[in-house]
Amino acid sequence: EAQVTQNPRYLITVTGKKLTVTCSQNMNHEYMSWYRQDPGLGLRQIYYSMNVEVTDKGDVPEGYKVSRKEKRNFPLILESPSPNQTSLYFCASSRILKTGILETQYFGPGTRLLVL
Amino acid sequence: SQQGEEDPQALSIQEGENATMNCSYKTSINNLQWYRQNSGRGLVHLILIRSNEREKHSGRLRVTLDTSKKSSSLLITASRAADTASYFCATPIHGSSNTGKLIFGQGTTLQVKP
Repeated sequence: EAQVTQNPRYLITVTGKKLTVTCSQNMNHEYMSWYRQDPGLGLRQIYYSMNVEVTDKGDVPEGYKVSRKEKRNFPLILESPSPNQTSLYFCASSRILKTGILETQYFGPGTRLLVL
Repeated sequence: SQQGEEDPQALSIQEGENATMNCSYKTSINNLQWYRQNSGRGLVHLILIRSNEREKHSGRLRVTLDTSKKSSSLLITASRAADTASYFCATPIHGSSNTGKLIFGQGTTLQVKP
């Protein structure tokens, strides 16, 4: 089954304790992306990757890191989490047309993070 | 400011009625995508309409795109209680310097009453 998986689904942590949220897709998509969703602010893009070893900042990258060492995986790293990073996080992947245009995004189920 | 902005923010209708949601955007686009999200869940793709298309159908869904007005609409016909969800439009930013950026609107929350 084609899918995007995220782990963990729920996480409670404390300020400053490094954490990683994993994301994996089995559709051989070139493109992967992380979003956070907050009430009243909608979905905002954190980082995205157009291919292996190619990552770029979205609209709200501060406080986050990503890596793309393999095509299927795109982990999101919070080196020193703070309470303002409490949010619902989504990973997504899609293919990229030869023209460079992004196609349909396939979303993971979400990770709900609470930073105390 | 948001590339995609939905209107209305919230919509409440009776089962069987039609629901129309609108999305406006600011820059040129290659395609516009509509997604649905049930409360707290992941987004599910509904329809992708390309910039050279004016209308697209999928079951009870009809999407229109007016590039001259930089707007799109999503029509759900004969709504059901199960259509209760939030609906988002999203646009990949066009242009070599921004390729890879996808901007979502804030969404329309639809409630369909049985």
